Amino acid sequence: ETVMTQSPATLSVSPGERATLSCRASETVTSNLAWYQQKPGQAPRLLIYDTSTRATGIPARFSGGGFGTEFTLTISSLQSEDFAVYYCQQYSNWPPITFGQGTRLEIK
Amino acid sequence: EVQLLESGGVLVQPGGSLRLSCAASGFAFSSYAMSWVRQAPGKGLEWVSVISGSGGTTYYADSVKGRFTISRDISNNTLYLQMNGLRAGDTAVYYCAKAPGDCTNGVCYGTETAHFDSWGQGTLVTVSS
Repeated sequence: ETVMTQSPATLSVSPGERATLSCRASETVTSNLAWYQQKPGQAPRLLIYDTSTRATGIPARFSGGGFGTEFTLTISSLQSEDFAVYYCQQYSNWPPITFGQGTRLEIK
Repeated sequence: EVQLLESGGVLVQPGGSLRLSCAASGFAFSSYAMSWVRQAPGKGLEWVSVISGSGGTTYYADSVKGRFTISRDISNNTLYLQMNGLRAGDTAVYYCAKAPGDCTNGVCYGTETAHFDSWGQGTLVTVSS
C-alpha cells in the first residue's frame, strides 16, 4: 500500500500570511494526488485534484504542486475560513486508496 | 446541485450488523463510481470501498473485506453499505463520496474513480457493548 505522510502535523500561521503544507508518498503516485479541507463537524471538501487543478469554486489562493513522491499545498494569503485540517490523498496505486494523516492549520 | 444524504448509523454491539444508506440526487447516479470513506473519532480519513456506476465492480479495504458489502440501487438512486461482524475498530463517521467519473469496461483502476468531488454529511456508527 502507498503510505502518505503529511508534514507538519500542526502549522501555526497568521492571517494574511502564506502557508505551505507538505505531503510525501512512499512510492511514486505520478500526478494522481488530491487535497481536501475539513472543518470541525463538516465533511471533507475537495480543493485540488491531479496535483494542481483547483476544484469547482475553490479560490485562486489555493495552489498545488509536485510530482512523483513530493507534493505541496500552498495557501497564498490565509483567510479566517482557511483554518482547518487538510488531507492529501493518492489515487495512483489502488486499491487501497490512501490518505495522509492530516495537517491542522491553526491561527498563530 | 449534487446532494448525498447518509443514514442508518446507530449504536450496535460487537458482532452485530448494520446497513448504511446514502440517498443521492442532483446527478446521473448510474454514471459515477461511489465510495464509502470513514473517520474514527478524532482521527483521519480511511477509504472503505468503491463501486462502479453499474454496480458490477467493487473493491474493498483489507480491514473490511469479507465483512462489508457495498451495493447500489440505481432505480432509487441509493448507495448502501452492509456491515457484518462489526468490531470496536469500525466505530467511525461513515461518509459516502462521489467520484468524478466511472469505471471503464468493468475496470476501476483509473484516476477518475478514486478521488471524491462531493461528500455527504456522514452518519455515525458506534460499536460498543
